[in-house]
Amino acid sequence: AQKITQTQPGMFVQEKEAVTLDCTYDTSDPSYGLFWYKQPSSGEMIFLIYQGSYDQQNATEGRYSLNFQKARKSANLVISASQLGDSAMYFCAMRGLSGNTPLVFGKGTRLSVIA
Amino acid sequence: KAGVTQTPRYLIKTRGQQVTLSCSPISGHRSVSWYQQTPGQGLQFLFEYFSETQRNKGNFPGRFSGRQFSNSRSEMNVSTLELGDSALYLCASSLVAGSPDTQYFGPGTRLTVL
Repeated sequence: AQKITQTQPGMFVQEKEAVTLDCTYDTSDPSYGLFWYKQPSSGEMIFLIYQGSYDQQNATEGRYSLNFQKARKSANLVISASQLGDSAMYFCAMRGLSGNTPLVFGKGTRLSVIA
Repeated sequence: KAGVTQTPRYLIKTRGQQVTLSCSPISGHRSVSWYQQTPGQGLQFLFEYFSETQRNKGNFPGRFSGRQFSNSRSEMNVSTLELGDSALYLCASSLVAGSPDTQYFGPGTRLTVL
């Protein structure tokens, strides 16, 4: 079974500061993918960044980077230079790649950016 | 390229009724997945379709069903609605199933059961 744990129900960050959202995972699948999604109050899930378990380098997409520590089973999302529009729910998700397993989500972290 | 579309966006039904939700994937995407999101349970996987075949099913009662058409559009049906079925239903599409392909989500259908 796969499990995603996000221990921060809510976080505050000052505009223009960097913030790290925590994500730990558990899986017996030797090959897997990790995803981060943003969900504004409108409800739509917006894909942010992907990290494969065998990727040697941490993924980056603009202001988003993924701090992947395989041995610790963590995949933290780092948002640099926070903007007011970053206020939203953030979900970490994973999917095993060697079997027929679905995408599994964590409970999410609500990020609030303060001016 | 147009994103994933879901219709209707909002729906109000009463207990015992049935409902059908529709999802049109991104052009070229052949896999469609459905999720239920509630404040208490979070995001839960319902089912995944690829090339008109259900590849995977979550732990939901048989009242929840789905299908995929030859043009990759998908529908999900919930029969005999219960109050607990009130949720945001999200559809996601990807190029293929069971791979690292990213799933792209639609805006969701917010179902309220009275």
